[in-house]
Amino acid sequence: NAGVMQNPRHLVRRRGQEARLRCSPMKGHSHVYWYRQLPEEGLKFMVYLQKENIIDESGMPKERFSAEFPKEGPSILRIQQVVRGDSAAYFCASSWTSGGTGGNEQFFGPGTRLTVL
Amino acid sequence: AQSVAQPEDQVNVAEGNPLTVKCTYSVSGNPYLFWYVQYPNRGLQFLLKYITGDNLVKGSYGFEAEFNKSQTSFHLKKPSALVSDSALYFCAVRDMRQAGTALIFGKGTTLSVSS
Repeated sequence: NAGVMQNPRHLVRRRGQEARLRCSPMKGHSHVYWYRQLPEEGLKFMVYLQKENIIDESGMPKERFSAEFPKEGPSILRIQQVVRGDSAAYFCASSWTSGGTGGNEQFFGPGTRLTVL
Repeated sequence: AQSVAQPEDQVNVAEGNPLTVKCTYSVSGNPYLFWYVQYPNRGLQFLLKYITGDNLVKGSYGFEAEFNKSQTSFHLKKPSALVSDSALYFCAVRDMRQAGTALIFGKGTTLSVSS
């Protein structure tokens, strides 16, 4: 059973370009979470999605950031008009059910390291 | 506000000695607590969790954690450290404001085990 897949592993963009980060959850998992890790900091929650639905986006910046999890295909985190402050590691996690039914752990992907020049 | 604190940025231990990585939390209601480990340029790996039941939780790679409600702590422990345990460790608590959503992470503690 493959784990959570993320691609690309490394992404370099110039200021003003768009960044698209992809996440394929573990087989059988229908809940996806995105986190951002800035240098010297812990992970910060961004958004929680189920298939075709955004459940909680309370951690997402209001502008330039969007996420989706279509019925078919991976979850996408999209950052428009990137700025240097967007440079970070972006991690995706998945779980087979929501935490509301118990303390189900989230399984993390290897991350995408975004560098904005 | 719900939060997790890891008071030590770095913990240094000699191989074979016991190790403790500290974590305290602040949540409303009963906490769901987790420990994850991150190796360089890798994602987070789940170690163990506390949901309910015994205060001593056993996890992967010989790690265990003790839940202490009165001290609101969930310290990670291992009786005998290995050099390969050297990594970044994160404590996390589930955000119970909205069921099924985020984990709130501490800033992480770097564990360095010397041979």
